[in-house]
Amino acid sequence: AQSVTQPDIHITVSEGASLELRCNYSYGATPYLFWYVQSPGQGLQLLLKYFSGDTLVQGIKGFEAEFKRSQSSFNLRKPSVHWSDAAEYFCAVGAPDDYKLSFGAGTTVTVRA
Amino acid sequence: DVKVTQSSRYLVKRTGEKVFLECVQDMDHENMFWYRQDPGLGLRLIYFSYDVKMKEKGDIPEGYSVSREKKERFSLILESASTNQTSMYLCASSSVGGASTQYFGPGTRLLVL
Repeated sequence: AQSVTQPDIHITVSEGASLELRCNYSYGATPYLFWYVQSPGQGLQLLLKYFSGDTLVQGIKGFEAEFKRSQSSFNLRKPSVHWSDAAEYFCAVGAPDDYKLSFGAGTTVTVRA
Repeated sequence: DVKVTQSSRYLVKRTGEKVFLECVQDMDHENMFWYRQDPGLGLRLIYFSYDVKMKEKGDIPEGYSVSREKKERFSLILESASTNQTSMYLCASSSVGGASTQYFGPGTRLLVL
């Protein structure tokens, strides 16, 4: 079964600074990978996903993620953070032959002025 | 625009009560999911359904049941609510196919007293 680890529980970043959130997955073959964001009091919104092809994936709100098979990672990045990026971020992994996703525990991002 | 709605944003129930959480999607999706979200644990799958009247247990089905009588509606039932079921409950839906993007509702925050 697949699983996800998000090593950072909480990250604080200054507005305008860059952001990188780590995600490591465990799966035997090429996984399907997702990043979701949850703003306070809201459901989850898809930021981006990787199924195959180009390992650098562009998403909404200026986010990108890079799939690195050798490191079993799918880290999320944003070059310049806005105050509205304060939220909880979840990485998820799925398999091509399975409906289900496995989610990480989440990383909470705080943006300071 | 895709839409998943949940019947309540907040619920307060007493121990032993029967609780119904309703979820409706308007995307004609085959798959529907119920998750529980707790701090530090991420999202854990309770049950999912891949077709009307079909269901499968997720990772934490104990104390819960589900019903899917119509394609667009997926209900989560707590037969006898307990305080350890106090949590945020998230519903999601996806189209057929392995690890398709899941679309989430806004969540129901349940407090069991």
